[in-house]
Amino acid sequence: KAGVTQTPRYLIKTRGQQVTLSCSPISGHRSVSWYQQTPGQGLQFLFEYFSETQRNKGNFPGRFSGRQFSNSRSEMNVSTLELGDSALYLCASSLVPGPQETQYFGPGTRLLVL
Amino acid sequence: AQSVTQLGSHVSVSEGALVLLRCNYSSSVPPYLFWYVQYPNQGLQLLLKYTSAATLVKGINGFEAEFKKSETSFHLTKPSAHMSDAAEYFCAVNSGGSNYKLTFGKGTLLTVNP
Repeated sequence: KAGVTQTPRYLIKTRGQQVTLSCSPISGHRSVSWYQQTPGQGLQFLFEYFSETQRNKGNFPGRFSGRQFSNSRSEMNVSTLELGDSALYLCASSLVPGPQETQYFGPGTRLLVL
Repeated sequence: AQSVTQLGSHVSVSEGALVLLRCNYSSSVPPYLFWYVQYPNQGLQLLLKYTSAATLVKGINGFEAEFKKSETSFHLTKPSAHMSDAAEYFCAVNSGGSNYKLTFGKGTLLTVNP
């Protein structure tokens, strides 16, 4: 079974631009979560989607948004990019939502904001 | 609120030696606990998880962890380190509730010396 896939793997943008990252979960998984990983802040939860609805949201500004499609694929968008948005963005999927569920991670999209 | 503390941002061991990576958690309710490993330029891979079924949890690649409620700890061990174990290890907690999320520790970089 194929794992979680994320596209693109690498991205370079300039301040003020917007970016859209894509995530395809493991087949049959219906819950998708997004995380930001930086050297300073570590791994931080962005949001979780299930059945095309955002279930939980982390402590990030409104510039960070996401959505989920009927096939469980998810996208996240960051508008008005700032230098501090440079990070590895990780997507994770699980069969269903729940604190006991194992989340399977993709390889990430590395975003560099210049 | 939940949190995770990983003692030691960098641990160095010799090949064949015991690996011990420390994790302490804070949670107001019985938690679900996870250990993930991250190799360079890759996403996170689940090593093992605790879901209250047994206090000693065995994972992949010879790793195991013991849940100690009285010490609020979930340390990761492996009897004999292998060069391929060199990676960054993350402990994570999910306490459930209406706004549950996976909270990660800052990570421990494991170096294995020949």
